Amino acid sequence: GDSVTQMEGPVTLSEEAFLTINCTYTATGYPSLFWYVQYPGEGLQLLLKATKADDKGSNKGFEATYRKETTSFHLEKGSVQVSDSAVYFCALLSTSGTYKYIFGTGTRLKVLA
Amino acid sequence: ETGVTQSPTHLIKTRGQQVTLRCSSQSGHNTVSWYQQALGQGPQFIFQYYREEENGRGNFPPRFSGLQFPNYSSELNVNALELDDSALYLCASSVDNYEQYFGPGTRLTVT
Repeated sequence: GDSVTQMEGPVTLSEEAFLTINCTYTATGYPSLFWYVQYPGEGLQLLLKATKADDKGSNKGFEATYRKETTSFHLEKGSVQVSDSAVYFCALLSTSGTYKYIFGTGTRLKVLA
Repeated sequence: ETGVTQSPTHLIKTRGQQVTLRCSSQSGHNTVSWYQQALGQGPQFIFQYYREEENGRGNFPPRFSGLQFPNYSSELNVNALELDDSALYLCASSVDNYEQYFGPGTRLTVT
C-alpha cells in the first residue's frame, strides 16, 4: 500500500541555519504531496503542497519540490527561526480506494536562539 | 467562509465508557474523514463519510463508528473505551474526495 517515510527527529538547529527534512513516498500513480506543521498542543496546519511532478510548493520561506524520479518531497528552509520549532509531517493524498491522507511519523524541529 | 470546527476541544473519559466527538464541515463540503493521532505519531485514517454513507475504513475495530448528517456535519463514536484510545482526533472535510481541510482536533484522554 501507499506509504510515507520521513527522517527521524529530533532535529536541533541554531537560528539562521539551513533546514532539510527528508521525505520519500511509495504510491500508486502520482499523488498530491503535502507538508503539515503542528505546534505544541495544536492541530495540523497546511504548510505547502504540490500536485504534480516538478511542482514546487512554497510558503513562509519553506520549499519542497515534487521529484517523481526519486519519489521524494524534501522540505527546505534557508534560514530557520526559533518560531519554526514544531513537528513537521509529510503526507500524500492516496487515491488507492478511498481518498485518504497517508502521513509520515513526523519530524520534531527545535531551533535554538 | 467558515472552516472545519470540532467539539469538544478536550475531554476525559474512563475506560469502558462511550464517547461522541463532533465535526462541522467547511461550507459546501460533502465528504468528512476522521483521523486518530496518538502521541508522537502521525495521524492514522479511521474512516470517511460521503453523502451520509461510509466510504472507506482504515484498520480500526467496529467499536469506532460514525455518522454523517444531511448538513454534512459528522460524529465519531467510540464504544468501550480503552487506554490506547487516548489521542488527538482530527476531522477533515473535502469536496468529492479531493484535498481535505483539517479541523483543530479533539484531545481525548482515557483514564
